[in-house]
Amino acid sequence: DGGITQSPKYLFRKEGQNVTLSCEQNLNHDAMYWYRQDPGQGLRLIYYSQIVNDFQKGDIAEGYSVSREKKESFPLTVTSAQKNPTAFYLCASSQGGLAKNIQYFGAGTRLSVL
Amino acid sequence: KNEVEQSPQNLTAQEGEFITINCSYSVGISALHWLQQHPGGGIVSLFMLSSGKKKHGRLIATINIQEKHSSLHITASHPRDSAVYICAVRSGNQFYFGTGTSLTVIP
Repeated sequence: DGGITQSPKYLFRKEGQNVTLSCEQNLNHDAMYWYRQDPGQGLRLIYYSQIVNDFQKGDIAEGYSVSREKKESFPLTVTSAQKNPTAFYLCASSQGGLAKNIQYFGAGTRLSVL
Repeated sequence: KNEVEQSPQNLTAQEGEFITINCSYSVGISALHWLQQHPGGGIVSLFMLSSGKKKHGRLIATINIQEKHSSLHITASHPRDSAVYICAVRSGNQFYFGTGTSLTVIP
């Protein structure tokens, strides 16, 4: 089945640790996105990539890093510089540019700090 | 002030009722999306609109560009429609999301 797979579903981070969230899609979409969702707030864009080997910062990129070495994969690293990482992280993809087409979302990763 | 405001924040309905969720935005947009988030967290895109009206099954989405307003309607609501409905707009290179409307449909 075509879709977006995020892993793991739940992740725990220790103080000072970097953790990486995986996002893979087999929809052959050019664009991929990472969002953060906090209670009572709308989704906020962390990073997006419109093509392989290129990515742009979103609204809240500080403390995060990404890579886009393959079309299918857009991993997000939550670094130790992100002081409030506890949130629900959603990955999405779309064919074409930002918001020009419907975005397809993964099931999300819930990150907590130990 | 948020660029995207949704109302109501919470909505409880009896099965079979007609439901309307509203979204107002304050920026110029190129597209508006309606998303559905299930209790487990997964999100499904329902509609993308730039004008007029779209229908898919029991769901209808409308947009009035002049009034900067969109509505999502659910006809003959069912308990499986219980979810959070999120309005999102794209303005330039920015993406703005509403905080969502939590819908509970009671059998």
